[in-house]
Amino acid sequence: KAGVTQTPRYLIKTRGQQVTLSCSPISGHRSVSWYQQTPGQGLQFLFEYFSETQRNKGNFPGRFSGRQFSNSRSEMNVSTLELGDSALYLCASSLSLAGSKGGEQFFGPGTRLTVL
Amino acid sequence: AQKITQTQPGMFVQEKEAVTLDCTYDTSDQSYGLFWYKQPSSGEMIFLIYQGSYDEQNATEGRYSLNFQKARKSANLVISASQLGDSAMYFCAMREGTGGYNKLIFGAGTRLAVHP
Repeated sequence: KAGVTQTPRYLIKTRGQQVTLSCSPISGHRSVSWYQQTPGQGLQFLFEYFSETQRNKGNFPGRFSGRQFSNSRSEMNVSTLELGDSALYLCASSLSLAGSKGGEQFFGPGTRLTVL
Repeated sequence: AQKITQTQPGMFVQEKEAVTLDCTYDTSDQSYGLFWYKQPSSGEMIFLIYQGSYDEQNATEGRYSLNFQKARKSANLVISASQLGDSAMYFCAMREGTGGYNKLIFGAGTRLAVHP
């Protein structure tokens, strides 16, 4: 079974630009979550999508948005990039059975975004 | 307030020895899940082990076991017979509640170095 895939793996942008990151979950997984990892703040939850609906959101400004398609693939968009947005963005998929062992999240390799 | 605390920024262990990585958590929920992930230098988060708050037995997965002490709110990871490939960052994470949401709260991580 193929794992979680994320594209692109590396990205360099300049301040003010916007970026779109893509995540394809494990086949059959309907929940996709996004996390930002920085040396200063660590791993922080961005949002979760399930059946094309955002059902949980972290404490990030509105410049960070996402969506999920009918095939469960998800995209994350960051507009008006700032230097502080440089980070590893990780996507995770889950069968979404919270409270049970089946609820573990499987992560992709991440997209490393550098904002210059 | 920190919800997940990993007090060991770095740990060293000799190959083939056992090592314990500490994790304490803070939640008022009765139902929650605790996870451990490994992150090698490549960046991908690898799921290791899960413990549900209602699980009476400590979770085990191969060389990994979770020492769950509910009253102390601790969920330490024990790696037996360390291998060189175990050198990585290790993150403890918690999912609160049973709302079907997959938001994980991560600790700051512990960097483990296995020496030959």
